Amino acid sequence: GAVVSQHPSRVICKSGTSVKIECRSLDFQATTMFWYRQFPKQSLMLMATSNEGSKATYEQGVEKDKFLINHASLTLSTLTVTSAHPEDSSFYICSATGPRGGEQYFGPGTRLTVT
Amino acid sequence: GDSVTQMEGPVTLSEEAFLTINCTYTATGYPSLFWYVQYPGEGLQLLLKATKADDKGSNKGFEATYRKETTSFHLEKGSVQVSDSAVYFCARTTSGTYKYIFGTGTRLKVLA
Repeated sequence: GAVVSQHPSRVICKSGTSVKIECRSLDFQATTMFWYRQFPKQSLMLMATSNEGSKATYEQGVEKDKFLINHASLTLSTLTVTSAHPEDSSFYICSATGPRGGEQYFGPGTRLTVT
Repeated sequence: GDSVTQMEGPVTLSEEAFLTINCTYTATGYPSLFWYVQYPGEGLQLLLKATKADDKGSNKGFEATYRKETTSFHLEKGSVQVSDSAVYFCARTTSGTYKYIFGTGTRLKVLA
């Protein structure tokens, strides 16, 4: 149980285009989802926290107009990187918690490369 | 504030050696503590966890004990294998939220 999937696993896009990454909880209702970014050989940096049906809360320094997060249902959250640039290339990981909060369950990650 | 400090890597060991990766946390609130493992190109996998003082988490030969008196959660394994080569992250919950704080990660390389 407690499986989180992400799609796509890898994506390459051209500079200036937008990319959408999906995060799904497969066997539980995810009231809260988190989006992280990980640069090579570095730790995870929390970008934002999203709760179903409400606006995401972004961490300091994260541009909310560039990284659009939508948590429209209890099993799906999306991260859209708008007008992507090469510096947005990174590994993006989502996680989710159930109705009682507590432990986060992590997705397998999405590697974004912007050319 | 809440934080996690993890030993710097990389750690290089021979197969069957004893492993310790140190992790300490700030003593704010009553956090749950976790160790995650990340294999190359993959996401995070929960290795073990402990939710209160003196709890011992264990999995796949790895162990860590929640030590409140030393604010530590060191990861240990008695005999490492080449397949244990990965990056290990220590993490804690934050006070009053569901957010996690991660350590910087420790890269382990096990040589045959």
